[in-house]
Amino acid sequence: EAGVTQSPTHLIKTRGQQATLRCSPISGHTSVYWYQQALGLGLQFLLWYDEGEERNRGNFPPRFSGRQFPNYSSELNVNALELEDSALYLCASSTRQVSYEQYFGPGTRLTVT
Amino acid sequence: AQTVTQSQPEMSVQEAETVTLSCTYDTSESNYYLFWYKQPPSRQMILVIRQEAYKQQNATENRFSVNFQKAAKSFSLKISDSQLGDTAMYFCAFMKHVRGNDMRFGAGTRLTVKP
Repeated sequence: EAGVTQSPTHLIKTRGQQATLRCSPISGHTSVYWYQQALGLGLQFLLWYDEGEERNRGNFPPRFSGRQFPNYSSELNVNALELEDSALYLCASSTRQVSYEQYFGPGTRLTVT
Repeated sequence: AQTVTQSQPEMSVQEAETVTLSCTYDTSESNYYLFWYKQPPSRQMILVIRQEAYKQQNATENRFSVNFQKAAKSFSLKISDSQLGDTAMYFCAFMKHVRGNDMRFGAGTRLTVKP
């Protein structure tokens, strides 16, 4: 069974640009979670998508947004990039019923210069 | 708000010895989940062990076990017979017993297993 996949592995952008990160969940999983892991910090919850809808979001500004597609894959968009957005972005997936079993992808390293 | 605190930024242990990582949390919830995740240099977050708050028995997974003290809001991880492959960042996490809720993570403990 294939795990959670994320692309790209690395992404380098300049301040003010937009970044798009992608996540494909495990087959059969309908929930996708996005987390930000800044250097030296734990993971901070960003967004939760399920069945194509945004169900919950963490304490992040509106320039962090995303969507979930009919095949349950998801995109995270970060607009007007700031230097402090540099971080590892992790995606996790779960079934809707067993949300405490979240399986993580390998992450996308975003660097803003 | 739920907070998770890991007071040991770094720890080291000799191969084959035992090490305990500490975690405390703050919540007013009575039913929740606690987790320990491992993040090796490959960056992949791997679930080590999960504890459900309503279960009094401490969870164990092979060489990994927890000491769950609900009243003290403490959730420590014991790694027995440490192996070089255990070298990683370890994160303690909390999740309310609500479907689809997000996890709250501690800042992590960097564990190094020395040969």
